[in-house]
Amino acid sequence: AQSVTQLDSHVSVSEGTPVLLRCNYSSSYSPSLFWYVQHPNKGLQLLLKYTSAATLVKGINGFEAEFKKSETSFHLTKPSAHMSDAAEYFCVVSDRGAQKMVFGQGTRLTINP
Amino acid sequence: NAGVTQTPKFQVLKTGQSMTLQCAQDMNHNSMYWYRQDPGMGLRLIYYSASEGTTDKGEVPNGYNVSRLNKREFSLRLESAAPSQTSVYFCASSEGGAPEETQYFGPGTRLLVL
Repeated sequence: AQSVTQLDSHVSVSEGTPVLLRCNYSSSYSPSLFWYVQHPNKGLQLLLKYTSAATLVKGINGFEAEFKKSETSFHLTKPSAHMSDAAEYFCVVSDRGAQKMVFGQGTRLTINP
Repeated sequence: NAGVTQTPKFQVLKTGQSMTLQCAQDMNHNSMYWYRQDPGMGLRLIYYSASEGTTDKGEVPNGYNVSRLNKREFSLRLESAAPSQTSVYFCASSEGGAPEETQYFGPGTRLLVL
């Protein structure tokens, strides 16, 4: 069975400082992993995804994530936070066993001026 | 190119009332999904349709029914609404339903059941 755990429900950083959102996953097969972002009262937008190619994945708006099989992690990072990054972020796992996406609980990112 | 559209944006129901949430996509995708989002629980899959003419239960199907009307449209029906169904509902679509495919989401429907 597949599952995903986002280790922080809320992260708060100052504008211009690095962002780290942590995600651990469990999968019986080679997983596909995604990060989605949801701005207030909006739908979900894909930030980036890993599908067994390069382990360091670059996404939109300067975000990137590294797939680490040995640690079963897929943490999301950004070198310098911007006010527009304030949103909820979801880590998602999908594999051929379940053939559907499983979402983490979400991490709310707050950016302080 | 509108992507995934949902109607209505917001709805208030009384317990026991019925309603249908509509979803349409214009990307010629084969697979469509309905999720509900509750605070602290991420998104949970209610039903999905791998292709036109097929539907399958997801994680939380009780109290809901779905219809894949054609390739574009996938509706979600609440026959007798309950306060526990107060939530934000998202429709999504993907090209073929394979695990590595991106799902594209609509803007959501906020439902309040009194």
